[in-house]
Amino acid sequence: ILNVEQSPQSLHVQEGDSTNFTCSFPSSNFYALHWYRWETAKSPEALFVMTLNGDEKKKGRISATLNTKEGYSYLYIKGSQPEDSATYLCALPLYNQGGKLIFGQGTELSVKP
Amino acid sequence: EAQVTQNPRYLITVTGKKLTVTCSQNMNHEYMSWYRQDPGLGLRQIYYSMNVEVTDKGDVPEGYKVSRKEKRNFPLILESPSPNQTSLYFCASSSPGLNTQYFGPGTRLTVL
Repeated sequence: ILNVEQSPQSLHVQEGDSTNFTCSFPSSNFYALHWYRWETAKSPEALFVMTLNGDEKKKGRISATLNTKEGYSYLYIKGSQPEDSATYLCALPLYNQGGKLIFGQGTELSVKP
Repeated sequence: EAQVTQNPRYLITVTGKKLTVTCSQNMNHEYMSWYRQDPGLGLRQIYYSMNVEVTDKGDVPEGYKVSRKEKRNFPLILESPSPNQTSLYFCASSSPGLNTQYFGPGTRLTVL
C-alpha cells in the first residue's frame, strides 16, 4: 500500500517566523507531486505541481523543493502571516493509474499575530 | 467562470435512506473524483473516473456508487447510508497528465 507522509501534523508559529514542513513518498514510479493549500471552510487549491528531481517552485513567500531520489518534498513559508494559516496537503498521482491520487494527512499551520 | 459545483452543500439524513450528491464541472476535464475528509485521516479517494462510462475504485469505495454518463457530471450515490459515512465530501476534476485537482465547495453529510 502506497503511503504519503507529512510532518509535522500541526505547527503553531508567530507572525514573521519562517517555517517549513515535509512530504515523504515512495520514490519508485514517481512522476509528479502536488501541493495544495486548504483554508478553513474553503476547498483545497493547487499551489504547486512538481515533476523533476531538484525542482524548486515559488509563489510569493511560499516555495517548494523536490527530491525524487530520496522521496521527499519541502514546503517553505518565509515570514509567515496570519493569512497563511491553512492545512497544506501533498498528493501523489499514481503512474499509469489514471485519475488515482494518494494524499498525505496534511500539515495544519496556525500563524498567530 | 471555471468551476466545480456540488449539491447539496449540507445534508442531514437517516440511516438507510438513499441519497445522491451531484457534481458538475464546466472545464471539459476528462477526469473526475470523489473524496471524503475525516479528522486525522486526510483526504481519501472514494472513486474516480477517467472518462464517460469509465470509473474505478479509490481507497475507500465501500458503501458508495458512482456513474459517469456525461463528461461534465459525476454523481455520488449512497444506496443505504450509515452513520460511518458522516463526513465532508469533495468532488474534483482534472486533466490527464499532471492531474492537478480542481475541487468543488464540499458537501457536509450527517447520517443519523
